[in-house]
Amino acid sequence: SQTIHQWPATLVQPVGSPLSLECTVEGTSNPNLYWYRQAAGRGLQLLFYSVGIGQISSEVPQNLSASRPQDRQFILSSKKLLLSDSGFYLCAWTRPGQGATYEQYFGPGTRLTVT
Amino acid sequence: AQKITQTQPGMFVQEKEAVTLDCTYDTSDQSYGLFWYKQPSSGEMIFLIYQGSYDEQNATEGRYSLNFQKARKSANLVISASQLGDSAMYFCAMRVTLGGAQKLVFGQGTRLTINP
Repeated sequence: SQTIHQWPATLVQPVGSPLSLECTVEGTSNPNLYWYRQAAGRGLQLLFYSVGIGQISSEVPQNLSASRPQDRQFILSSKKLLLSDSGFYLCAWTRPGQGATYEQYFGPGTRLTVT
Repeated sequence: AQKITQTQPGMFVQEKEAVTLDCTYDTSDQSYGLFWYKQPSSGEMIFLIYQGSYDEQNATEGRYSLNFQKARKSANLVISASQLGDSAMYFCAMRVTLGGAQKLVFGQGTRLTINP
């Protein structure tokens, strides 16, 4: 069966510090991978998606970047955090060509607080 | 532009009653998909139900059903016989195609509270 992991689960970082959030998927090959951010009490906003190793597409201009160094690993980074980067970060995956639904499976999330 | 609208920020329902959560969508695509996810306080996103734009019958999954009215561009979630464990945020989402990948556009969510 497939499993998606995210770490850390919770993070408190000062403004201006770097960030690295990691997401890994087990039990599948060549997944499409996604990073979402959820502000408190709001819906999810897509930040980045990737259809393969080294292939990253950005949805919105921002202070963050993403990388996919391995097939099942997706990393969200920042060189200098802003207060507005606080939120709940969710990683998700879909199987390419899985059929009509393209259901996305979500990880447990990382709650980031920038102080 | 593709957009999902959920007009109910919060809903309060008595246990065992049925509840309808509203969702309207806007798209010019002929082929699309509509999802409902549940997000409990733990934060995980739990897939509930899916409706394809070409599906003629409304989707059902246990106590969940999707009232799909294509002409009105609405995809309301109906939960029958609500339970205390149904208290959570509920998000409607639409699948759109983006650069070779499938993207989900989410609504702002509805917070459902089930009262005993």
